[in-house]
Amino acid sequence: ETGVTQTPRHLVMGMTNKKSLKCEQHLGHNAMYWYKQSAKKPLELMFVYSLEERVENNSVPSRFSPECPNSSHLFLHLHTLQPEDSALYLCASSQGQINTGELFFGEGSRLTVL
Amino acid sequence: GQNIDQPTEMTATEGAIVQINCTYQTSGFNGLFWYQQHAGEAPTFLSYNVLDGLEEKGRFSSFLSRSKGYSYLLLKELQMKDSASYLCAVGGSTLGRLYFGRGTQLTVWP
Repeated sequence: ETGVTQTPRHLVMGMTNKKSLKCEQHLGHNAMYWYKQSAKKPLELMFVYSLEERVENNSVPSRFSPECPNSSHLFLHLHTLQPEDSALYLCASSQGQINTGELFFGEGSRLTVL
Repeated sequence: GQNIDQPTEMTATEGAIVQINCTYQTSGFNGLFWYQQHAGEAPTFLSYNVLDGLEEKGRFSSFLSRSKGYSYLLLKELQMKDSASYLCAVGGSTLGRLYFGRGTQLTVWP
């Protein structure tokens, strides 16, 4: 138990569906992240929120839309996805200086796009 | 561009010592991290180096040479539970940016 909870753990969706991934951190951290983990590829940073403001958007397609309503919750809204978007989506949180604080990861949401 | 290089796979036997190397070329440097990820689980933090030298933490040690763009993770007295993927990551100059390698899948045999 890392203190970061992600739901759902598994999601299968069609290309025309709209779904959302949810992340909640119970650690009192002030920064939250979305990462994408594909087979045989490095973890890719998608979005960073610090104090509920988006500070990083790593050229992610607009079919991925993040939302951070407060410092404990982070969402990733998905719509009109492509099969190549199938991956493990990891949420993480950290405290303090983002590049010096360790990341606490959730167990991920495994997404399959048909 | 950013480049983090580490071996794809390594194998070792229980009780042995293994060294996982990582080389990096990034724009900016704000420390080097090692994470462990068991299959189907979240990556967990192992170590952080920002200055040159060796950091020891129990059976695990991590070394950094900034001039060489090189780090290694040393695992001693290997146990079966150490079978996992080990991720090398570098903190870049941009706020929130961590560059990850592809991970090294370590298999420990009895």
